[in-house]
Amino acid sequence: GENVEQHPSTLSVQEGDSAVIKCTYSDSASNYFPWYKQELGKRPQLIIDIRSNVGEKKDQRIAVTLNKTAKHFSLHITETQPEDSAVYFCAANAGSARQLTFGSGTQLTVLP
Amino acid sequence: EAGVTQFPSHSVIEKGQTVTLRCDPISGHDNLYWYRRVMGKEIKFLLHFVKESKQDESGMPNNRFLAERTGGTYSTLKVQPAELEDSGVYFCASSRATDYYGYTFGSGTRLTVV
Repeated sequence: GENVEQHPSTLSVQEGDSAVIKCTYSDSASNYFPWYKQELGKRPQLIIDIRSNVGEKKDQRIAVTLNKTAKHFSLHITETQPEDSAVYFCAANAGSARQLTFGSGTQLTVLP
Repeated sequence: EAGVTQFPSHSVIEKGQTVTLRCDPISGHDNLYWYRRVMGKEIKFLLHFVKESKQDESGMPNNRFLAERTGGTYSTLKVQPAELEDSGVYFCASSRATDYYGYTFGSGTRLTVV
């Protein structure tokens, strides 16, 4: 089955700096890669996703890149703000199974 | 549209007791998923319903866990008897039939077994 590894587990950045979170996956059949943000006490919410037919996708300060050959994808947040502080999860679809496999999460702290 | 609702938000039970978690998906969402996050680890798949049928229950850890979705609406997840290692946050997510990866998550139930 699919296995998703996520790094780092914690990340602290100064406000205004960039943050990068990286994930690797194992199943070459995976073709959908979402990122979720979970603020303290709230539900995980989709912030951006990418499909295997593109290498990069951007939405304002957030971007995701995908390298299918190397089986890794990354989340990039620019000009970080305190409200970006949260746990971020990457995920990949598990081949033919209609479920997502998640990484272990990254606690991002943006220091004012 | 109303979101995915989970109840209770927190539950503390003693080892050996029974607990039932409930998830009300978004109306019209055929897909309903249960996931669990044990402290600091990944959000791990438990099972997937399509309407009232179990599509995939490969993630259920053992036969102490029983999930149902009677009538294809809300779902329950019963743990009986609970063990210490069952502690964690249990998430429910639902999605439309035509967009099964388009999850809307609930806020989760934090289960603590003492």
